[in-house]
Amino acid sequence: DTGVSQNPRHKITKRGQNVTFRCDPISEHNRLYWYRQTLGQGPEFLTYFQNEAQLEKSRLLSDRFSAERPKGSFSTLEIQRTEQGDSAMYLCASSLAGGPNQPQHFGDGTRLSIL
Amino acid sequence: AQSVTQLGSHVSVSEGALVLLRCNYSSSVPPYLFWYVQYPNQGLQLLLKYTTGATLVKGINGFEAEFKKSETSFHLTKPSAHMSDAAEYFCAVRANTNAGKSTFGDGTTLTVKP
Repeated sequence: DTGVSQNPRHKITKRGQNVTFRCDPISEHNRLYWYRQTLGQGPEFLTYFQNEAQLEKSRLLSDRFSAERPKGSFSTLEIQRTEQGDSAMYLCASSLAGGPNQPQHFGDGTRLSIL
Repeated sequence: AQSVTQLGSHVSVSEGALVLLRCNYSSSVPPYLFWYVQYPNQGLQLLLKYTTGATLVKGINGFEAEFKKSETSFHLTKPSAHMSDAAEYFCAVRANTNAGKSTFGDGTTLTVKP
């Protein structure tokens, strides 16, 4: 069990640029989640996948955000035309399917800073 | 819809003292409840979870929590604090009708004084 891996750990970019983050889940986990965490707050749900299907998206996920999981393994989260308010920690988690009692295993996150 | 309220954004205790972190939830269906710990610049690590059955749940690092339906609470305790317990703690709820998202509280920062 190598854990959930996220890259890069830190990303600094100028406002208006596009950024892409990658998440590699635990290999046998078929569910993958994206959360956003800002300073002083708990993680907020963005979206989740079961295998390659995106099953739910939060209203927080504006049309500038897109997430993919093309082969049901790793996932990417892209933010287009970044804004100051996008500065946050982006967390990825994975779990087995089988109900909400299956715990989510989190990666160490990607911290995005918008200049 | 679910929500979580963590009372007290900062808690400070002396080493060896009791730790009590409070969590109240709201859920229209039977909830699944979780406590996570987060160290600086790291992700969240699961401490313990309540799904069904026994209402007193034991977790890692000596932590435990008790589910009280009548009080809609899931408070986290540890009998004796250790310096290494200093971190941020998050309570989360998931409804059994939605296997996807977790709804988190805003967290409680625990400081342990020597």
